[in-house]
Amino acid sequence: SFVLTQPPSVSVAPDRTARITCGGNNFGRKTVHWYQQKPGQAPVLVIYYDKDRPSGVPERFSGSKSGNTATLTISRVEAGDEADYFCQVGDGISERVVFGGGTKLTVL
Amino acid sequence: QVQLVESGGGVVRPGRSLRLSCAASGFTFSRYGMHWVRQAPGKGLEWVAFLSHDGRAEYYADSVKGRFTISRDNSKNTLYVQMNNLRTEDTAFYYCAPTRDDYNYFFDHWGQGTLVTVSS
Repeated sequence: SFVLTQPPSVSVAPDRTARITCGGNNFGRKTVHWYQQKPGQAPVLVIYYDKDRPSGVPERFSGSKSGNTATLTISRVEAGDEADYFCQVGDGISERVVFGGGTKLTVL
Repeated sequence: QVQLVESGGGVVRPGRSLRLSCAASGFTFSRYGMHWVRQAPGKGLEWVAFLSHDGRAEYYADSVKGRFTISRDNSKNTLYVQMNNLRTEDTAFYYCAPTRDDYNYFFDHWGQGTLVTVSS
């Protein structure tokens, strides 16, 4: 079965760049989506189709994918970016959705 | 705007049943496939089930297959999940979410979730 692997935690100083990776065994044609979740809140979509940004999400958030690794990049990190981040793939061909284990972003 | 309101959660003993509902508004419910996603307290997200807009296609996570049944009533703009033979590991917040892409599933709208606690 398809597995997405994320580092449990990433720490970054304010105003620096955070990169959160998501490793897959074979992305193929699958696209990767990213969610931000703050304590006590529902997840919020921040990147879809590998690199597209929903309206309202700051341009500081970007996504990329190369080979078996997708990356969420947050530029000029702010204290308010501290949250859990989850990657996700899913489609009607595989008939399932898979989430990564999540990465806790800490702003130092 | 899109609104999703989950309800029906509560405390239930192992082996018992529970039905959750998700009332949707702000979009044409009958045109969207719908998913249930859950999250155990302090843990990550886990996909549970999918139902196509017309109810013809339904998919389940292996962890719930044979125990959970997803359904919908398009006349009431409501999604359901019937959960039978509940286990302690089913304890989680349950979220419903529409998917606007019939091929690549992602979730740009979430409800606030309803908490299911399975405990003796």
